[in-house]
Amino acid sequence: AQKITQTQPGMFVQEKEAVTLDCTYDTSDPSYGLFWYKQPSSGEMIFLIYQGSYDQQNATEGRYSLNFQKARKSANLVISASQLGDSAMYFCAMRLGYNTDKLIFGTGTRLQVFP
Amino acid sequence: DTGVSQDPRHKITKRGQNVTFRCDPISEHNRLYWYRQTLGQGPEFLTYFQNEAQLEKSRLLSDRFSAERPKGSFSTLEIQRTEQGDSAMYLCASSWDRSSYNEQFFGPGTRLTVL
Repeated sequence: AQKITQTQPGMFVQEKEAVTLDCTYDTSDPSYGLFWYKQPSSGEMIFLIYQGSYDQQNATEGRYSLNFQKARKSANLVISASQLGDSAMYFCAMRLGYNTDKLIFGTGTRLQVFP
Repeated sequence: DTGVSQDPRHKITKRGQNVTFRCDPISEHNRLYWYRQTLGQGPEFLTYFQNEAQLEKSRLLSDRFSAERPKGSFSTLEIQRTEQGDSAMYLCASSWDRSSYNEQFFGPGTRLTVL
């Protein structure tokens, strides 16, 4: 079954430190895409970063990078130099191959950044 | 580019009533998605459109739910004979299938409370 697992319900990090949010996925489809979204308390989901299953290099977007380990089926989000504004829920999501465009989400990780 | 908008932002209704939500996607986006998010969970896919065609509908979606996108622009999601279990945040997203990642941009959501 296609599934996303986020095992960390909550994480704390001090401002300016780096933090890793874990995500593992399960699919037998060779073609898929992995996304990370941020959901602040306002509720709107904000796209952060994308990794395709055939991409050879890990994706990076500013302070966000994705540690993609295909054999382990993991796609961890690394946030460098955390800021207070990074406090939010973070969701990992997967889009499967060619016949669907829907996203399958994990249960999320609540990140709290403290001064 | 004003982003995805949803109306209303909040809706309180009594069990058994019908409700309708509206979503206006980003203007050039040809794909539109509906998700439902309950407390402590990630968004759950409901349905999506390419232009006016409904391409996929979740098997979990009751017959009480119907969605339309009549002119390929805005979309409506109707829930008939609401039940308390329908209480959730209903999220709309849109995308342009020719973008690099076909990432989905989300609206602020409509929070439904069924009494």
